[in-house]
Amino acid sequence: DGGITQSPKYLFRKEGQNVTLSCEQNLNHDAMYWYRQDPGQGLRLIYYSQIVNDFQKGDIAEGYSVSREKKESFPLTVTSAQKNPTAFYLCASSIRLAGGKRTDTQYFGPGTRLTVL
Amino acid sequence: EDQVTQSPEALRLQEGESSSLNCSYTVSGLRGLFWYRQDPGKGPEFLFTLYSAGEEKEKERLKATLTKKESFLHITAPKPEDSATYLCAVHPGYNKLIFGAGTRLAVHP
Repeated sequence: DGGITQSPKYLFRKEGQNVTLSCEQNLNHDAMYWYRQDPGQGLRLIYYSQIVNDFQKGDIAEGYSVSREKKESFPLTVTSAQKNPTAFYLCASSIRLAGGKRTDTQYFGPGTRLTVL
Repeated sequence: EDQVTQSPEALRLQEGESSSLNCSYTVSGLRGLFWYRQDPGKGPEFLFTLYSAGEEKEKERLKATLTKKESFLHITAPKPEDSATYLCAVHPGYNKLIFGAGTRLAVHP
């Protein structure tokens, strides 16, 4: 079955720690995204990547870092510089970043809930 | 400023009581509008993509419509299993989606 997997489902971070969230897709999609979801707010874009070895900052990239060494994988590191990291993190992918005049649908993984202790 | 607003924030329906959720938007150059369903603690599940005003799409008890300023998600004769948060997102003329805050729907038997 094709899809997007995220791990772990729950993650606990101590103050000053860096943690890495995994995102893998087997949909053969070029574009991948990381979003953060907080209660009562819309999803906010952290980083996105349209091709291997290339990625761009989204609206709230401060305190986060990513890599895209393989087409299938787009891990997100939450660094100690992120002051309020407790949130639900969602990874998504689409065939391309933008398909001409029409956009491609983004499909989401199951999410990782990060809690700061 | 590009913006997406969903209303109401929360909606409680009796089983079988039809209603509509609203997604109004102000963006520069719409490339697509998406509806997703999200259950608690899970990732959003894709429902529909709409590209141009006048377009409609249906799936079981759900029907999505699009105008130049807003989209509606109509729910006909809802069942308790339709209870979820429904998210609307728009893709303007640059490389990202803008999400609304969602509408929490509760359908009671």
